Formats: sequence, structure tokens, C-alpha cells
Amino acid sequence: EVQLVESGGGLVQPGGSLRLSCAASGFTFVSYAMTWVRQAPGKGLEWVSVISGRGDGPYYADSVKGRFTISRDNSKSTVYLQMSSLRGDDTAIYYCAKVTTIRAHVGPFDYWGQGTPVTVSS
Amino acid sequence: SYVLTQPPSVSVAPGETARLTCGGDDIGTKSVHWYQRRPGQAPVLVIDADGDRPSGIPERFSDSNSGNTATLTISRVEAGDEADYYCQVWDRSSDHWVFGGGTKLTVL
Repeated sequence: EVQLVESGGGLVQPGGSLRLSCAASGFTFVSYAMTWVRQAPGKGLEWVSVISGRGDGPYYADSVKGRFTISRDNSKSTVYLQMSSLRGDDTAIYYCAKVTTIRAHVGPFDYWGQGTPVTVSS
Repeated sequence: SYVLTQPPSVSVAPGETARLTCGGDDIGTKSVHWYQRRPGQAPVLVIDADGDRPSGIPERFSDSNSGNTATLTISRVEAGDEADYYCQVWDRSSDHWVFGGGTKLTVL
């Protein structure tokens, strides 16, 4: 059974940093790209970043480029999202998801975690 | 960057057919995927660009894509289909995944 478990969310002040983790199990982690998607309160889904199975790419939404960094440790079956220079509009539930292929730009997101909330506020 | 446009809301009676549209420039040339998100739950893939449904998604869900409009069709709508639905594509010009704004399906 595929499982994705996010952690690391919480309350952080504007300008602060946070690192999210997503521990994966139930599939051959290195064979699939992984991605982060967020949903702000009252808003729709917003794609954040994606990384290929081999760590190629990665790609970022314009809203986070230069502030967020995605990475993965295939030995630990874990993908990370390092977030810095956080702003109020980064407040959201952050989901990690598995892509159906090894490539970052191909295939839908077939499994999702339950999400971890991030609140940026003073 | 590429924009996907979805109507904010669609309402249908139980047993009727819901057609949820997703508009984009020449979207018929792109691979469109669809997701369902019920309140308080994580999103779920309901149908991919090849028309394949993950295990557990009923045959009542189907899709089409041509010209500037992609459509998710839900036949014989049930109360349990009430949710937000999102379309998604990869935009190669910007190297971005793009979601539509979502459509809230209400079952009357």
C-alpha cells in the first residue's frame, strides 16, 4: 500500500524558514518523480515544485522560485521542501504527491499525502 | 504562463449528468488530468489524460478534450460526487504544472 506522510509544518514568523518532509512507502521510491502542491485557505490547488526520480529538474512555481528548494533522499524514501523567506501568502496546507512516472513533467499525481499545515504569521 | 479556466460552480440533480469544463488555449494538444477534492480530504486523481481511472473510481467518470476545452463528465451523479474538481496540465513553455481554479460540484 502506497503511503505518503508529511511532517514539519507549523507556525512560523514572516521571513522565517521551515523544512517539510514527506516519507514514502509502498513503492520503489527512486522510480517516481515527487511533487509538492499547496492549498491556501479558501483557494484552489497550487502546484509548488516537482523533482524527478533521479533528482533532475527540479521545477518551481514562480511564486516560490528562489525561496523554496525541493530535494530527495532516495536512500530514505523521503522528499523535502526547504522553505525560506516565508510570507503570509505561503500559508496553506502542503501536500506531497507521487507522480506516475520517473519524469517530472509526465504523468498525473496518483497518490497524495494528507497534508501538513503551514501558517506564516507574527 | 498557461491559464486553465474552470467555472466556479456547477449544480446538478441526482441521477443527472454533470459536465465540468476546463478551458485553455489549444488545450486539445495537451494531456489533461482531473482531480477530486472532498472537504477535509486530500485530492484524488479521478481520471488521467488517457482516460484511465484509478482503482475505485467508477466508470461514471469520463473525459474528453478537443480544441480549447477539456471536459470531465460524471454520469448518474450521486450525492457522494459532491466535491471540488480540478483540471491539470503540464505547460512545457514555462516548465510548470498548472491547475485550473477548480469547480465546486453541488448535488441538489
